[in-house]
This record gives sequence, structure tokens and C-alpha cells, in this order.
Amino acid sequence: KNQVEQSPQSLIILEGKNCTLQCNYTVSPFSNLRWYKQDTGRGPVSLTIMTFSENTKSNGRYTATLDADTKQSSLHITASQLSDSASYICVVTFTSGTYKYIFGTGTRLKVLA
Amino acid sequence: KAGVTQTPRYLIKTRGQQVTLSCSPISGHRSVSWYQQTPGQGLQFLFEYFSETQRNKGNFPGRFSGRQFSNSRSEMNVSTLELGDSALYLCASSSPLGKGDYGYTFGSGTRLTVV
Repeated sequence: KNQVEQSPQSLIILEGKNCTLQCNYTVSPFSNLRWYKQDTGRGPVSLTIMTFSENTKSNGRYTATLDADTKQSSLHITASQLSDSASYICVVTFTSGTYKYIFGTGTRLKVLA
Repeated sequence: KAGVTQTPRYLIKTRGQQVTLSCSPISGHRSVSWYQQTPGQGLQFLFEYFSETQRNKGNFPGRFSGRQFSNSRSEMNVSTLELGDSALYLCASSSPLGKGDYGYTFGSGTRLTVV
């Protein structure tokens, strides 16, 4: 069964600290993996996308890694800011005729001053 | 270029009523997908339209329906509203040619409250 699991479910950190969010998937055949940031009450916004051959991708203070062998990805946030408070969603794309997307349930991050 | 536009932004309806939500995709995008997101839950896939045809459908009751027009704009309709239909409804457009994987661009959503 194609699934995407994220951990932790929620996380609270102090401003300026680093944190790492995890995404494990059992999706096949794998096409790519995306991380989205979703502010409360808003639509998700894409942060990074990685294909099978990529193992690291950065977007400012956000760095995503992918291990296609173990089917794990992580999103590392450096020097967190209050504006990083949001839900972070991992989405894996697989091909089945057309492209299909499997969404994780997200990690809710709260950054405190 | 303009992003994905959803209207209205907020909506309050009474149980038993029906509601229509609208989504205008990014210019040139022909695929439009709809998702429901309830508090604390992940995104639940409703359906996808491509070139005015429903291409994929999630596990929602028949009260949830949609359509897509020739200009790729899409509407979603929910009939006989229930309290549990209160949610953020997100629309996403993708793939200029309906092929390949360009991922989603989401709209800001419509917050529906059923009272």
C-alpha cells in the first residue's frame, strides 16, 4: 500500500534553534518527493522537490535530504524564525498511468520567541 | 503570473443547504484537483479534472461533485451540507500539458463553516 508517514506529529522549538522533520514512504514506483509549507488557513507552498537521483536540495534555511534506498526524507530547518511556524507536508509522487500524489499528514511546527 | 484563485475565501452555510466553490487555475494549467482539509487532518483528495473530464476521484460521498469548464476553471459543489463538511477546501492546478509532473500550485482555499 502506498503510504507516506511523517514524524513527529508536532514540534515546539525556540527561535534560533535548528530542527529536523522526517518523512518515510512506501510508494512505488517512485517519481519524486516534495516538501510543502502550509501556514494556518492557507494553501500549501512548495519548498523543495527531489527526484530519485538527488539526495540534497536547499531552499534558503530549508534543506531537504532523500535516501531512496531506505525510502526516507528529512527537512532540516536552520536558525528557525517565528515565521517558520506552520505545518510541513511531505508529498510523494508515483506513476500509475498518470502521476498520482500521496500526502503525509504533516508535522506541525511551533517556533517560540 | 497570477496564481490559483479560489472564491469565496470564507463561507458560512446552514446544515442541509448546498454550496458551490470556485477555482481558477494558473493560466495554461489544465488539471485541477480538489482537497478537503479538516482541523488536525491531512489533505483528503476529492477529485481531479482534466480537460473538462473527471480523471480521478477520492472516497467521498456523492454529495460532493465537481465540474470543469472549457477555460479550465473548476467548481465544486456540496449538497445537503452536514456539520462534518466544515473544512478548508483547497484547489490545486498542475501540468501545463496534462503530462509530466509539475507538481501542484495550491490556492489559498475556501474556509467553509456549516452551522
